[in-house]
Amino acid sequence: EVQLQQSGPEVGRPGSSVKISCKASGYTFTDYVMNWVKQSPGQGLEWIGWIDPEYGSTDYAEKFKKKATLTADTSSNTAYIQLSSLTSEDTATYFCARSGWYFDFWGPGTMVTVSS
Amino acid sequence: DIQMTQSPASLSASLEEIVTITCQASQDIGNYLSWYQQKPGKSPQLLIHSATSLADGVPSRFSGSRSGTQYSLKINRLQVEDTGIYYCLQHYSAPLTFGSGTKLEIK
Repeated sequence: EVQLQQSGPEVGRPGSSVKISCKASGYTFTDYVMNWVKQSPGQGLEWIGWIDPEYGSTDYAEKFKKKATLTADTSSNTAYIQLSSLTSEDTATYFCARSGWYFDFWGPGTMVTVSS
Repeated sequence: DIQMTQSPASLSASLEEIVTITCQASQDIGNYLSWYQQKPGKSPQLLIHSATSLADGVPSRFSGSRSGTQYSLKINRLQVEDTGIYYCLQHYSAPLTFGSGTKLEIK
């Protein structure tokens, strides 16, 4: 059974960084790309970017290029997103989602709250 | 960037009714279009992929269609459990883009 297990909620101070994890199980981690999606409170879905765990290659939406860093650890089948220079605009739920092409499995989401 | 214009923004329909949600792509995306349902506090779930293919375990009352660059999600015989927010996603080219969402409620 495919599962994506995400780390727990985070509270970050303005200007700091947070790192969220997404541990994959039930499939070969390197066979699929991992995407990250942002959902601000009461808002829609925004694609942040993806990482190919096999090669470590990444692609980002323009607005997230200086905000997010995607990495993957094939030894632990875990993908990560680091969010830097936090502002109130980063308060949101962040989802990881597996894709070959479409997003067939999603993690439960990790809520990030930026607060001083 | 490819824009996905989704309509309507909200929809209220009766049980057993047929509802249709559409997404208009700003350029050709072929069949690289999928549909998702999101319930409050939950992650989105795949309903339709490749514009017209039903995802595993999804009830057959859901269907997808394509006419040029317009894509539609149709729900036949609406059920109570179909409430939620529906999104389309184009995965033809990066940056991947979602529609703005359709909130579906039961009258």
